[in-house]
Amino acid sequence: DAKTTQPNSMESNEEEPVHLPCNHSTISGTDYIHWYRQLPSQGPEYVIHGLTSNVNNRMASLAIAEDRKSSTLILHRATLRDAAVYYCILNYGGSQGNLIFGKGTKLSVKP
Amino acid sequence: DTGVSQNPRHKITKRGQNVTFRCDPISEHNRLYWYRQTLGQGPEFLTYFQNEAQLEKSRLLSDRFSAERPKGSFSTLEIQRTEQGDSAMYLCASSLFLGGAGHQPQHFGDGTRLSIL
Repeated sequence: DAKTTQPNSMESNEEEPVHLPCNHSTISGTDYIHWYRQLPSQGPEYVIHGLTSNVNNRMASLAIAEDRKSSTLILHRATLRDAAVYYCILNYGGSQGNLIFGKGTKLSVKP
Repeated sequence: DTGVSQNPRHKITKRGQNVTFRCDPISEHNRLYWYRQTLGQGPEFLTYFQNEAQLEKSRLLSDRFSAERPKGSFSTLEIQRTEQGDSAMYLCASSLFLGGAGHQPQHFGDGTRLSIL
């Protein structure tokens, strides 16, 4: 299974943009890039996903490099509620089966 | 929108006892997943169902673990003869698999925390 690499932790100030990077140099053509986040004492929550083009939704934006070997999750204005562990996951587009989580990036947001 | 529901939220039991957890997925979702998460780690996949068929099982799922989804709706995960190492958060997720028509996210419950004394 293709693997992702993320920084262990990042810090942000409230109301500032946050760019969370993810490297996935062994991604295959059929792998979708998914982002989930997990707030303390809760199950993971879907954030966004994409294949080749950049994607926007009400929660975040996903910027995918042209060679697809890296991507960036963008939170446009961080709030205290965005403090969570963010997971970047590759999901095979065919079977769309289980998700393989790494350790993710723990995002801290300072007021 | 009722999300994924897991019961109980917490379970404390003695080593060697059997435990069973229940997961109620989002009603129209045909896929149901079980994951396990220990402190400081990301969730690890255990098994998943499409309707009532168990399509994949992880090597983590020893023969003490069994999962069922008898009518393609709710699912149960049973652990027999529990061991200290089974202490973890057990997470359930569901999704709507549409074949080639788009890629659907998984929706997670808040888990059942199992503590083995």
